[in-house]
Amino acid sequence: TQLLEQSPQFLSIQEGENLTVYCNSSSVFSSLQWYRQEPGEGPVLLVTVVTGGEVKKLKRLTFQFGDARKDSSLHITAAQPGDTGLYLCAANIRAYKLSFGAGTTVTVRA
Amino acid sequence: ETGVTQSPTHLIKTRGQQVTLRCSSQSGHNTVSWYQQALGQGPQFIFQYYREEENGRGNFPPRFSGLQFPNYSSELNVNALELDDSALYLCASSLGQEAFFGQGTRLTVV
Repeated sequence: TQLLEQSPQFLSIQEGENLTVYCNSSSVFSSLQWYRQEPGEGPVLLVTVVTGGEVKKLKRLTFQFGDARKDSSLHITAAQPGDTGLYLCAANIRAYKLSFGAGTTVTVRA
Repeated sequence: ETGVTQSPTHLIKTRGQQVTLRCSSQSGHNTVSWYQQALGQGPQFIFQYYREEENGRGNFPPRFSGLQFPNYSSELNVNALELDDSALYLCASSLGQEAFFGQGTRLTVV
């Protein structure tokens, strides 16, 4: 079983629509990270959330860390084709290890 | 551009063979981690090297081994390749909590 469960697995929307991706766990984390990965590339860190209830904004992307620090969400407003990619959440399980969710594949159609 | 370089980018090997993958970490980063990413999955932690010593290992058999050199570059070696070893192998360098990934090596075992 995955430590971090991401949903949905796939998401296909029209340009200009909004979308939300979820990352859930039964464990409590000191922090969660969100990455975006494009085909043929490695994951690129988007944000790290560390405080329960924290909300961080990165242009049209809004990240939220749950109050209990067990879950997180990524919301994209007015999605663009450039937002297409695999979105991964990850948590530091031990000092040396990142544990990733299975990812959400987002496709934004022009 | 993360400054982490992996080689080769693609590789095809036969079952039972051995393979060595290479990673040049970002300047000044003394920690290198290796991940395996199967198609449609999130990356899975293989092991981490810190200052030339293995610093943690995931749930991978001993035929997966590694090295880190004094300049902090690293190698991943896999012996007795199996078909299920086909995956994208990612290297990440870090100097703290934030990890920077290379573009990966796509290994196909036939």
